[in-house]
Amino acid sequence: AQSVTQLGSHVSVSEGALVLLRCNYSSSVPPYLFWYVQYPNQGLQLLLKYTSAATLVKGINGFEAEFKKSETSFHLTKPSAHMSDAAEYFCAVSDRPSGGYQKVTFGIGTKLQVIP
Amino acid sequence: ETGVTQTPRHLVMGMTNKKSLKCEQHLGHNAMYWYKQSAKKPLELMFVYNFKEQTENNSVPSRFSPECPNSSHLFLHLHTLQPEDSALYLCASSQGRQNTEAFFGQGTRLTVV
Repeated sequence: AQSVTQLGSHVSVSEGALVLLRCNYSSSVPPYLFWYVQYPNQGLQLLLKYTSAATLVKGINGFEAEFKKSETSFHLTKPSAHMSDAAEYFCAVSDRPSGGYQKVTFGIGTKLQVIP
Repeated sequence: ETGVTQTPRHLVMGMTNKKSLKCEQHLGHNAMYWYKQSAKKPLELMFVYNFKEQTENNSVPSRFSPECPNSSHLFLHLHTLQPEDSALYLCASSQGRQNTEAFFGQGTRLTVV
């Protein structure tokens, strides 16, 4: 069974400061890993994904994440927070597609607040 | 035109009503999903359809009835719901190949009164 743990349901950073959102996963097979962002009253939008290529993954809006197998982690970072980054962020893990679809398990989410 | 479209965006229904949620994807994907998002809980996968066939039902109560007439359309029929069913219902689709991710609709905010 696969699972995701997001440490910190709420994170506050000052505008211009480093953003670090933590995610640890558990999977019995090499995983696919994702970070999604959700703005209020919206669906989820993919920020970035890891699919066993480069361990440092760059995504949209200046975000990146590093896959560390030894730590079973996939933390999300951004060097300088912007007010528009305020949203809820979800880490997710899935197995390899089997039979034409993926079963994705999501973390509980981390709400990011950016303070002016 | 967005990739995955859900209607309605908001729905208020009584416990004795019958209503349906609709999802349409314009991405040519073969798999479609229903998720439930409740406050302070992880997204819960409810149903998966692959090439119109239901492949996953995660112990969802029978008051939720999915329908997938073709690979582009997915419905969630609702009847005799409970107040605890109030949530954001998200539809998603994906292509059944490696290195792909799910694309989500904007969701339907359901309130059961």
